[in-house]
Amino acid sequence: DADVTQTPRNRITKTGKRIMLECSQTKGHDRMYWYRQDPGLGLRLIYYSFDVKDINKGEISDGYSVSRQAQAKFSLSLESAIPNQTALYFCATSDRDRGPRTDTQYFGPGTRLTVL
Amino acid sequence: GNSVTQMEGPVTLSEEAFLTINCTYTATGYPSLFWYVQYPGEGLQLLLKATKADDKGSNKGFEATYRKETTSFHLEKGSVQVSDSAVYFCALSQAGTALIFGKGTTLSVSS
Repeated sequence: DADVTQTPRNRITKTGKRIMLECSQTKGHDRMYWYRQDPGLGLRLIYYSFDVKDINKGEISDGYSVSRQAQAKFSLSLESAIPNQTALYFCATSDRDRGPRTDTQYFGPGTRLTVL
Repeated sequence: GNSVTQMEGPVTLSEEAFLTINCTYTATGYPSLFWYVQYPGEGLQLLLKATKADDKGSNKGFEATYRKETTSFHLEKGSVQVSDSAVYFCALSQAGTALIFGKGTTLSVSS
């Protein structure tokens, strides 16, 4: 089974709808991240969480919110979806800093979201 | 702020050709540097990493050397295969923070 799973894998929705993307991990990592990928722009950070009680905004958090329900679960919500939120969304995890250089991130398979 | 710049693609090569994908970075201090690969329809996978100056990361025939003097981390492979066709991302992380990615380089290898 995959260590980092995302649901749904694909979603088509309409402008104004509320959407939740879910991420679960079995790696036992403390840190979780949400990125979006757009063609020609690479990946950009939306939100990240270093533990259950720690939530931080990333580069492009406007229009998004997150919930860290447990160490293993980190959800991304679009309160009122708009067409320019059409993108590929990735969840990632990493271990807490156990010394120098433990910052490798492990990615889920992605959720392709289309907002009409 | 921190940033990563990598060569724009697409890069189109014949099988067994030599590959170089350039990556330079801007950061204070000593970031960790990464190359991630994204195969069609999949998420990102770590290809290799280097955590300090002059370190060489290597995996699956790919190599990259952390060059602090030129702030570079160029990806190389001596003989590419069709199965190497993918999008390659250079990234940095500093003090355990989230990754900062380049825009990605698409590699297409034909037989």
